[in-house]
Amino acid sequence: NAGVMQNPRHLVRRRGQEARLRCSPMKGHSHVYWYRQLPEEGLKFMVYLQKENIIDESGMPKERFSAEFPKEGPSILRIQQVVRGDSAAYFCASSPRLVTDRMIRENIQYFGAGTRLSVL
Amino acid sequence: DQQVKQNSPSLSVQEGRISILNCDYTNSMFDYFLWYKKYPAEGPTFLISISSIKDKNEDGRFTVFLNKSAKHLSLHIVPSQPGDSAVYFCAASPADRGSTLGRLYFGRGTQLTVWP
Repeated sequence: NAGVMQNPRHLVRRRGQEARLRCSPMKGHSHVYWYRQLPEEGLKFMVYLQKENIIDESGMPKERFSAEFPKEGPSILRIQQVVRGDSAAYFCASSPRLVTDRMIRENIQYFGAGTRLSVL
Repeated sequence: DQQVKQNSPSLSVQEGRISILNCDYTNSMFDYFLWYKKYPAEGPTFLISISSIKDKNEDGRFTVFLNKSAKHLSLHIVPSQPGDSAVYFCAASPADRGSTLGRLYFGRGTQLTVWP
């Protein structure tokens, strides 16, 4: 059972170009999350998607960033007109379910290896 | 605004001894907590979790303790092994509050080094 697959592992872009990051969740997982990690910091939530739906995008910058999780194919995080400040590691995670019942509470997210974006 | 805090950026422990990693949180809506381990150039790997209805959860060498009144949790690793050397992240998930339900809030991590 393959884990969360992200590609590319490394991506180099010049300022003003577009970056497309892909994420295939674990088999059977319908929830996808994107996080960004800047150097010496923890992971910061960006967006939470289910198939064909954006559930929560409040952590994502309103301009230049977009995300989708189509019915078929991987989830895509798209950054238009990249700037040097976009350089970071971007991690995708997936989960099979989100259990809110207090007695069986669970929200385990499984992470991919990440895409390291470098903007020149 | 850092809602999950790991105040020790690093910890060094001798092999065979206990490692204790600490985490504090400020948001009383958090009701589920996780620990992840991360090696360089890899993604975080899930280690262990705990729900707020418990105060302890154990899995092999790893035990997580939760003190809700102090808004504090800790991860104990015993005995520590050199392969445990990694960055450890504490994460928290909020109780049902609509669309923020799914996100995890992470601390900045603690670098654990286990020496022979």
